[in-house]
Amino acid sequence: GAVVSQHPSRVICKSGTSVKIECRSLDFQATTMFWYRQFPKQSLMLMATSNEGSKATYEQGVEKDKFLINHASLTLSTLTVTSAHPEDSSFYICSATSSAKNIQYFGAGTRLSVL
Amino acid sequence: AQSVTQLDSHVSVSEGTPVLLRCNYSSSYSPSLFWYVQHPNKGLQLLLKYTSAATLVKGINGFEAEFKKSETSFHLTKPSAHMSDAAEYFCVVTYNQAGTALIFGKGTTLSVSS
Repeated sequence: GAVVSQHPSRVICKSGTSVKIECRSLDFQATTMFWYRQFPKQSLMLMATSNEGSKATYEQGVEKDKFLINHASLTLSTLTVTSAHPEDSSFYICSATSSAKNIQYFGAGTRLSVL
Repeated sequence: AQSVTQLDSHVSVSEGTPVLLRCNYSSSYSPSLFWYVQHPNKGLQLLLKYTSAATLVKGINGFEAEFKKSETSFHLTKPSAHMSDAAEYFCVVTYNQAGTALIFGKGTTLSVSS
């Protein structure tokens, strides 16, 4: 199966700082990447969809200035949590797909803890 | 509106006994259906998918699921549970061919006791 790498796996930061999370498709070109947020013992909530070379599409209620998404290449998308606050603490998961694959492949997730 | 319902939030089985995780979906179009597994603090791993080919789908780790259109169900089964199967399982449906619009069930926690 396809491999999606997400880095870092865990990050702890101070309130007010910004954190960048990377999502890479290692063995295929990802035309579309997704960012999800998962609260404890809950399902995944789609935050945004990003297509390579274009602006991300954010789901209702997700602040685009708070969660900056960049998808500059076919193998890399980044999510930057700007001016993080404790309520941003969560598990963030990316996924990637291509028109050839028809399946979303998920990264291992990033546990963000904001102190 | 499209939706997917996982009927049990928590299922407990003994090692070596069968596993049944239930999933129903709403059907406006021809869906593609998936089961994903998530171990603690890990991402999601694809177990199997149905995309209008054979109705009985075999996946990894001995899991399989049967698509029943008349019942709008896609239950996940395994003949004999293993301790390593303990995890969170998500039933997922998508209604577009590109697979880009996923709708997740709320998840079922599978516990396996020795």
